[in-house]
Amino acid sequence: AQRVTQPEKLLSVFKGAPVELKCNYSYSGSPELFWYVQYSRQRLQLLLRHISRESIKGFTADLNKGETSFHLKKPFAQEEDSAMYYCALRGTGTASKLTFGTGTRLQVTL
Amino acid sequence: GAVVSQHPSRVICKSGTSVKIECRSLDFQATTMFWYRQFPKQSLMLMATSNEGSKATYEQGVEKDKFLINHASLTLSTLTVTSAHPEDSSFYICSANSVGSDTQYFGPGTRLTVL
Repeated sequence: AQRVTQPEKLLSVFKGAPVELKCNYSYSGSPELFWYVQYSRQRLQLLLRHISRESIKGFTADLNKGETSFHLKKPFAQEEDSAMYYCALRGTGTASKLTFGTGTRLQVTL
Repeated sequence: GAVVSQHPSRVICKSGTSVKIECRSLDFQATTMFWYRQFPKQSLMLMATSNEGSKATYEQGVEKDKFLINHASLTLSTLTVTSAHPEDSSFYICSANSVGSDTQYFGPGTRLTVL
């Protein structure tokens, strides 16, 4: 079975502070990990995926297989980063099926 | 590009009636569409995967006779909630993969309220 855990429901940080949204997963094989973001009144959209190893909007995430984690990080939070963030996993041979975590609401305040 | 629409955006119905929700890929052809359900303050739960021209694959615990899915074309999938009850009230979200891509593009969701 595959499972994604996001331990924090809400993360509140000041503008300019570093951000780390935690994600841990459980999967017996080699998963593909994603971060999705949902801004207020907008649809869910892909932020980044681990195989791309890219930085999007200043966010990065590294897959740590030893710790089964895929934490999302940004060195300096911006107000526009306030949104709901979901970590998701896709296992091998699962026909693109995604398993989502419960999400973390990031609130960036002045 | 890669826009997915859903209609209606919200619907209120009486208990016992059936409700149809449409999911369309506007600017691409979708070989696979997914239907999710999201309860307040909870995660998206996959209900079923549908492929154009074939029967949908339902997740464990999802009643296929209650949640009818039809994927008649490469740009349209429908979810019909039959004999709706108040416990079916939820936010239903669809997503779609374009041909040759494994990236899922999400629709805006449909809020169903059953009275």
